[in-house]
Amino acid sequence: DIQMTQSPSALSPSVGDRVTISCRASQDIRDNINWYQQQPGKTPKLLIFAASTLRGGVPSRFSGSGSGTDFTLTITSVQPEDSATYYCQQSYSTPLTFGGGTKVEIK
Amino acid sequence: EVQLVESGGGWVQPGGSLRLSCEASGFKFESYAMHWVRQAPGKGLEWVSGISWNSNSINYADSVRGRFTISRDNAKNSLYLEMNSLRPEDSALYHCSRGPTTVDWLDPWGQGTLVTVSS
Repeated sequence: DIQMTQSPSALSPSVGDRVTISCRASQDIRDNINWYQQQPGKTPKLLIFAASTLRGGVPSRFSGSGSGTDFTLTITSVQPEDSATYYCQQSYSTPLTFGGGTKVEIK
Repeated sequence: EVQLVESGGGWVQPGGSLRLSCEASGFKFESYAMHWVRQAPGKGLEWVSGISWNSNSINYADSVRGRFTISRDNAKNSLYLEMNSLRPEDSALYHCSRGPTTVDWLDPWGQGTLVTVSS
């Protein structure tokens, strides 16, 4: 199985800060990584698929990059509504696997 | 509007069984793969199982293989998860989700149905 390791596990930025979340795959997954946002008490929502394609309706302050084993989710100018836990997920092979999550709490 | 509504969760003793259902609307159900993903209280996301549009390709997580069975009825726009030999570690909120294929992103997700396995 492909292991997905996210870092950091938590961070506390201020409004307007740039936030970077990393995800590392245990093997080469090309660009087969997706990112989700789970706001407190809500269902996960797809933000980015295929490493860098923004889902329709997602604010442009979110972006994804990377290929192979190292990937990044970036939030430029983080907003209060971005308080959430973010998960990466590989779609290179089954079983589909998720990272452990990164909790973002806005100061 | 795409909607996924799960049902069938509840409390069950260890060793027991449950059948979860997911009713889909707002899209052409027969054109998409479908998945089950679970989340234990306060924990992260764990993919459970996925099924292709025509049921020809089915995959399971190692943790449930041999105990859970995924199926679908395209005529009823419905997805199912038959869960047997349930263990306390199966306790979680179970979401159904749509995917372009069985190995892809998941979008959207249903609100989930809660399964509690306890004596």
